[in-house]
Amino acid sequence: QQQVKQSPQSLIVQKGGISIINCAYENTAFDYFPWYQQFPGKGPALLIAIRPDVSEKKEGRFTISFNKSAKQFSLHIMDSQPGDSATYFCASKSGNTPLVFGKGTRLSVIA
Amino acid sequence: EAGVAQSPRYKIIEKRQSVAFWCNPISGHATLYWYQQILGQGPKLLIQFQNNGVVDDSQLPKDRFSAERLKGVDSTLKIQPAKLEDSAVYLCASSPGISLWGGYTFGSGTRLTVV
Repeated sequence: QQQVKQSPQSLIVQKGGISIINCAYENTAFDYFPWYQQFPGKGPALLIAIRPDVSEKKEGRFTISFNKSAKQFSLHIMDSQPGDSATYFCASKSGNTPLVFGKGTRLSVIA
Repeated sequence: EAGVAQSPRYKIIEKRQSVAFWCNPISGHATLYWYQQILGQGPKLLIQFQNNGVVDDSQLPKDRFSAERLKGVDSTLKIQPAKLEDSAVYLCASSPGISLWGGYTFGSGTRLTVV
């Protein structure tokens, strides 16, 4: 049972372009939606997170858009840079339950 | 602030052998997690500790995997005997509390190859 479905599996974006990664969840009890960034040989690192009481959160070039009725949230990376090339994971949790992760999106930003 | 420390970084063993991984979480973090990350997939929870007690081990293959967190600080994950499908990166993470809002801090993981 996959509680968090992420798409696309891989993404190639031109430098300066917008990267968009989508995530859909099933459990309506989820109340915390983070995105993690992982570089090869490293563990995932928290990038940005949102609670369901807001529809959007922006931190620098990274924005989360949240649609509670559709049970979807997405990560937007503006002005994508080669240094953003990494694997991105969406995740969700509720209360005391641990984070459940999507399968990941491999982003390549090309010059 | 020191991060989550894990060792070893890499391990190669033959199937049916045993192996152990060690994790030292961020100081003061009460909650510790072990995740398994198979190549090309997202992390999957194996076990969650709150201090030195197990909160969730529903996805831990208990016939071969075991974990402990003595004194509520360091933790050890063991596999005995290992199977080929156990080849993966084993990630340890910690957080200040079980239900506190906020992300987990992950270590760099131990890459296990079973041959």
